[in-house]
Amino acid sequence: AQSVTQLDSQVPVFEEAPVELRCNYSSSVSVYLFWYVQYPNQGLQLLLKYLSGSTLVKGINGFEAEFNKSQTSFHLRKPSVHISDTAEYFCAVTPYSSASKIIFGSGTRLSIRP
Amino acid sequence: DVKVTQSSRYLVKRTGEKVFLECVQDMDHENMFWYRQDPGLGLRLIYFSYDVKMKEKGDIPEGYSVSREKKERFSLILESASTNQTSMYLCASSFGGPLAGVGDTQYFGPGTRLTVL
Repeated sequence: AQSVTQLDSQVPVFEEAPVELRCNYSSSVSVYLFWYVQYPNQGLQLLLKYLSGSTLVKGINGFEAEFNKSQTSFHLRKPSVHISDTAEYFCAVTPYSSASKIIFGSGTRLSIRP
Repeated sequence: DVKVTQSSRYLVKRTGEKVFLECVQDMDHENMFWYRQDPGLGLRLIYFSYDVKMKEKGDIPEGYSVSREKKERFSLILESASTNQTSMYLCASSFGGPLAGVGDTQYFGPGTRLTVL
């Protein structure tokens, strides 16, 4: 079985400051990793995903994440945030075996202060 | 652009009522998903379908059933709504089948906020 831990339920940062949202996972099998974002009153949309290859993955809106297999982490980073980045961010993992086994973390609410 | 639509944004029902939540995708995707989203719990999978009439239980199927009679439409049914089913319900779809589509992006609808009184 897989599990996903997002350690921070809320992260407040000032506009133009850097941010890191943490995601750790546990799995006995190989997994694919995803970050999704949910803007207020909307469904989720994909920010980025790691399937294979380079462990540094670049996504939309200037976000990037690094897959660290030894630490079982997939932290999301942005060097300079904007007010428009205010949203809830979800980390998710899927084992290679089935798309139906996807597990989402509990989410991190990012709030940007002007 | 992939579009996933859900029949209602907000729904209020009474305990014991039968509730239908409808989801339609327009990209010929094989996989469709129903999740419920609760604060502090993230998204939890209720049911998954990988083809017409094919379904798999997710992590929390109790109290729910699903129907997929056409490829583009996936319905979630609450046979007898209870107050603990008050939640945000999200539908999603992805391109591939249960194995081929493991790494595929999921496309989400806007959600239905269901309140059961």
